[in-house]
Amino acid sequence: DAGVIQSPRHEVTEMGQEVTLRCKPISGHDYLFWYRQTMMRGLELLIYFNNNVPIDDSGMPEDRFSAKMPNASFSTLKIQPSEPRDSAVYFCASSVGRAGNTEAFFGQGTRLTVV
Amino acid sequence: EDQVTQSPEALRLQEGESSSLNCSYTVSGLRGLFWYRQDPGKGPEFLFTLYSAGEEKEKERLKATLTKKESFLHITAPKPEDSATYLCAVQSWGSSASKIIFGSGTRLSIRP
Repeated sequence: DAGVIQSPRHEVTEMGQEVTLRCKPISGHDYLFWYRQTMMRGLELLIYFNNNVPIDDSGMPEDRFSAKMPNASFSTLKIQPSEPRDSAVYFCASSVGRAGNTEAFFGQGTRLTVV
Repeated sequence: EDQVTQSPEALRLQEGESSSLNCSYTVSGLRGLFWYRQDPGKGPEFLFTLYSAGEEKEKERLKATLTKKESFLHITAPKPEDSATYLCAVQSWGSSASKIIFGSGTRLSIRP
Protein backbone atom coordinates (compact mmCIF):
# COMPACT_ATOMS: atom_id res chain seq x y z
CA ASP A 1 0.00 0.00 0.00
CA ALA A 2 1.24 3.51 -0.79
CA GLY A 3 0.26 4.81 2.63
CA VAL A 4 -1.78 7.94 3.30
CA ILE A 5 -1.50 10.35 0.38
CA GLN A 6 -1.96 14.09 0.78
CA SER A 7 -2.02 16.83 -1.80
CA PRO A 8 -0.71 19.35 -2.41
CA ARG A 9 2.57 19.08 -0.47
CA HIS A 10 2.94 22.85 -0.39
CA GLU A 11 0.36 25.61 -0.81
CA VAL A 12 0.93 29.34 -0.78
CA THR A 13 -2.15 31.51 -1.01
CA GLU A 14 -3.25 35.03 -0.34
CA MET A 15 -5.37 36.01 2.61
CA GLY A 16 -9.07 35.71 1.81
CA GLN A 17 -8.66 32.92 -0.74
CA GLU A 18 -10.23 29.49 -0.45
CA VAL A 19 -7.86 26.59 0.23
CA THR A 20 -8.67 22.91 -0.22
CA LEU A 21 -6.44 20.16 1.15
CA ARG A 22 -6.91 16.57 0.00
CA CYS A 23 -6.32 13.17 1.55
CA LYS A 24 -6.51 9.56 0.41
CA PRO A 25 -6.44 7.18 3.41
CA ILE A 26 -4.99 3.68 3.48
CA SER A 27 -7.38 1.21 1.87
CA GLY A 28 -9.44 -0.67 4.46
CA HIS A 29 -8.99 1.92 7.19
CA ASP A 30 -12.28 3.12 8.65
CA TYR A 31 -11.04 6.10 10.66
CA LEU A 32 -9.64 9.31 9.20
CA PHE A 33 -8.12 12.16 11.20
CA TRP A 34 -7.15 15.72 10.27
CA TYR A 35 -4.43 17.36 12.39
CA ARG A 36 -2.74 20.75 12.31
CA GLN A 37 0.86 21.20 13.51
CA THR A 38 2.51 24.46 14.54
CA MET A 39 5.55 25.25 16.65
CA MET A 40 3.40 26.96 19.26
CA ARG A 41 0.58 24.45 19.62
CA GLY A 42 2.10 21.17 18.46
CA LEU A 43 -0.11 18.56 16.81
CA GLU A 44 -3.81 19.42 17.26
CA LEU A 45 -6.69 17.18 16.27
CA LEU A 46 -9.16 19.12 14.14
CA ILE A 47 -11.76 16.50 13.21
CA TYR A 48 -12.10 12.78 12.70
CA PHE A 49 -14.41 10.50 10.71
CA ASN A 50 -15.55 6.92 11.16
CA ASN A 51 -16.95 5.17 8.08
CA ASN A 52 -17.13 8.56 6.32
CA VAL A 53 -19.22 10.14 9.10
CA PRO A 54 -17.78 13.04 11.15
CA ILE A 55 -17.58 11.92 14.80
CA ASP A 56 -15.89 14.81 16.59
CA ASP A 57 -15.22 18.24 15.09
CA SER A 58 -14.61 20.04 18.38
CA GLY A 59 -11.07 20.86 17.31
CA MET A 60 -12.11 22.81 14.22
CA PRO A 61 -11.06 26.35 15.12
CA GLU A 62 -13.75 28.35 13.35
CA ASP A 63 -16.60 28.16 10.89
CA ARG A 64 -14.06 29.03 8.20
CA PHE A 65 -12.89 25.42 8.43
CA SER A 66 -14.92 22.55 7.01
CA ALA A 67 -14.16 18.91 6.24
CA LYS A 68 -15.90 16.30 4.16
CA MET A 69 -15.48 12.62 3.41
CA PRO A 70 -17.69 11.74 0.45
CA ASN A 71 -16.40 8.16 0.28
CA ALA A 72 -13.99 5.78 1.99
CA SER A 73 -11.04 6.78 -0.19
CA PHE A 74 -11.17 10.57 -0.15
CA SER A 75 -11.43 13.49 2.26
CA THR A 76 -11.03 17.25 1.99
CA LEU A 77 -10.29 20.01 4.47
CA LYS A 78 -11.38 23.45 3.27
CA ILE A 79 -10.54 26.86 4.66
CA GLN A 80 -12.64 29.75 3.39
CA PRO A 81 -11.58 32.51 3.71
CA SER A 82 -7.99 31.79 4.66
CA GLU A 83 -6.05 33.98 7.11
CA PRO A 84 -2.30 34.27 7.87
CA ARG A 85 -2.82 32.56 11.26
CA ASP A 86 -3.96 29.43 9.40
CA SER A 87 -0.37 28.93 8.23
CA ALA A 88 0.71 25.51 9.50
CA VAL A 89 1.38 21.95 8.39
CA TYR A 90 -1.85 19.97 8.01
CA PHE A 91 -1.67 16.19 8.38
CA CYS A 92 -4.15 13.52 7.49
CA ALA A 93 -3.98 10.13 9.21
CA SER A 94 -5.98 6.91 9.02
CA SER A 95 -6.47 3.86 11.21
CA VAL A 96 -8.68 0.83 11.76
CA GLY A 97 -11.12 0.76 14.65
CA ARG A 98 -11.10 -2.88 15.67
CA ALA A 99 -9.75 -3.89 19.06
CA GLY A 100 -6.01 -3.58 19.00
CA ASN A 101 -3.97 -2.18 16.12
CA THR A 102 -5.70 1.19 16.36
CA GLU A 103 -2.56 3.23 15.73
CA ALA A 104 -2.87 5.98 13.14
CA PHE A 105 -0.68 6.24 10.05
CA PHE A 106 0.15 9.69 8.77
CA GLY A 107 0.60 11.28 5.39
CA GLN A 108 3.51 13.57 4.53
CA GLY A 109 1.46 16.68 5.27
CA THR A 110 0.54 19.86 3.42
CA ARG A 111 2.53 22.95 4.35
CA LEU A 112 0.13 25.89 4.06
CA THR A 113 1.37 29.46 3.94
CA VAL A 114 -1.18 32.27 3.87
CA VAL A 115 0.31 35.66 2.99
CA GLU B 1 -10.31 15.85 29.61
CA ASP B 2 -7.54 13.64 28.21
CA GLN B 3 -4.06 15.16 28.57
CA VAL B 4 -0.56 14.17 27.52
CA THR B 5 2.61 15.85 28.82
CA GLN B 6 6.07 15.03 27.51
CA SER B 7 9.42 15.83 29.07
CA PRO B 8 12.00 17.06 28.51
CA GLU B 9 11.14 19.39 25.61
CA ALA B 10 14.61 18.89 24.18
CA LEU B 11 17.47 16.50 24.91
CA ARG B 12 20.99 16.53 23.57
CA LEU B 13 23.08 13.38 24.01
CA GLN B 14 26.46 12.18 22.94
CA GLU B 15 26.50 9.14 20.66
CA GLY B 16 26.32 6.05 22.86
CA GLU B 17 24.88 7.92 25.86
CA SER B 18 21.67 6.16 26.92
CA SER B 19 18.68 8.07 28.30
CA SER B 20 14.88 8.08 28.66
CA LEU B 21 12.02 10.25 27.47
CA ASN B 22 8.90 10.63 29.61
CA CYS B 23 5.23 10.77 28.70
CA SER B 24 2.70 11.44 31.49
CA TYR B 25 -0.96 10.99 30.68
CA THR B 26 -4.42 11.52 32.12
CA VAL B 27 -7.28 9.67 30.46
CA SER B 28 -10.70 8.39 31.48
CA GLY B 29 -9.72 4.88 30.44
CA LEU B 30 -6.65 4.04 28.40
CA ARG B 31 -7.37 2.25 25.15
CA GLY B 32 -3.81 2.64 23.83
CA LEU B 33 -0.64 4.70 24.17
CA PHE B 34 1.39 5.33 21.03
CA TRP B 35 4.94 6.46 20.34
CA TYR B 36 5.84 8.13 17.06
CA ARG B 37 9.02 9.49 15.55
CA GLN B 38 8.93 12.62 13.41
CA ASP B 39 11.76 13.80 11.17
CA PRO B 40 11.85 17.40 9.88
CA GLY B 41 9.49 17.94 6.96
CA LYS B 42 7.81 14.56 7.35
CA GLY B 43 4.73 13.09 8.96
CA PRO B 44 4.92 11.21 12.26
CA GLU B 45 6.08 7.62 11.84
CA PHE B 46 4.50 4.98 14.05
CA LEU B 47 6.84 3.15 16.46
CA PHE B 48 4.91 1.34 19.22
CA THR B 49 1.51 0.76 20.79
CA LEU B 50 1.17 -0.13 24.48
CA TYR B 51 -2.16 -1.22 25.93
CA SER B 52 -1.75 -2.07 29.60
CA ALA B 53 0.48 -1.28 32.58
CA GLY B 54 3.57 -3.45 32.66
CA GLU B 55 3.70 -3.90 28.92
CA GLU B 56 7.01 -3.35 27.08
CA LYS B 57 7.90 -3.14 23.38
CA GLU B 58 11.33 -3.02 21.75
CA LYS B 59 12.66 -2.02 18.36
CA GLU B 60 16.40 -1.79 17.73
CA ARG B 61 17.78 0.75 20.25
CA LEU B 62 14.32 1.81 21.47
CA LYS B 63 12.28 0.30 24.30
CA ALA B 64 8.89 1.61 25.41
CA THR B 65 7.36 0.86 28.80
CA LEU B 66 4.00 1.70 30.37
CA THR B 67 2.66 2.28 33.88
CA LYS B 68 -0.79 3.47 34.94
CA LYS B 69 0.31 7.12 34.80
CA GLU B 70 3.23 7.36 32.39
CA SER B 71 5.26 5.83 29.64
CA PHE B 72 8.99 5.90 29.04
CA LEU B 73 10.90 5.63 25.80
CA HIS B 74 14.36 4.30 26.63
CA ILE B 75 17.11 4.87 24.08
CA THR B 76 20.15 2.62 24.47
CA ALA B 77 23.49 3.61 22.93
CA PRO B 78 21.89 6.07 20.49
CA LYS B 79 23.35 6.95 17.11
CA PRO B 80 23.11 10.27 15.22
CA GLU B 81 20.37 8.79 13.00
CA ASP B 82 18.15 8.53 16.09
CA SER B 83 17.93 12.33 16.14
CA ALA B 84 14.28 13.30 15.67
CA THR B 85 11.24 14.53 17.56
CA TYR B 86 9.53 11.74 19.53
CA LEU B 87 5.80 12.11 20.05
CA CYS B 88 3.56 10.34 22.54
CA ALA B 89 -0.20 10.00 21.99
CA VAL B 90 -3.12 8.44 23.85
CA GLN B 91 -6.46 7.01 22.87
CA SER B 92 -9.15 6.54 25.51
CA TRP B 93 -12.37 4.60 25.92
CA GLY B 94 -14.14 7.87 26.79
CA SER B 95 -16.98 9.64 25.03
CA SER B 96 -14.91 10.23 21.92
CA ALA B 97 -13.44 6.75 21.65
CA SER B 98 -10.81 6.53 18.92
CA LYS B 99 -9.83 10.19 19.38
CA ILE B 100 -6.01 10.29 19.45
CA ILE B 101 -4.41 13.14 21.43
CA PHE B 102 -0.71 14.01 21.11
CA GLY B 103 1.82 15.48 23.49
CA SER B 104 4.10 18.32 22.41
CA GLY B 105 7.05 16.03 21.79
CA THR B 106 10.71 15.71 22.80
CA ARG B 107 13.34 16.93 20.33
CA LEU B 108 16.25 14.50 20.57
CA SER B 109 19.66 15.39 19.18
CA ILE B 110 22.52 12.87 19.14
CA ARG B 111 26.01 14.30 18.64
CA PRO B 112 28.63 12.10 16.90
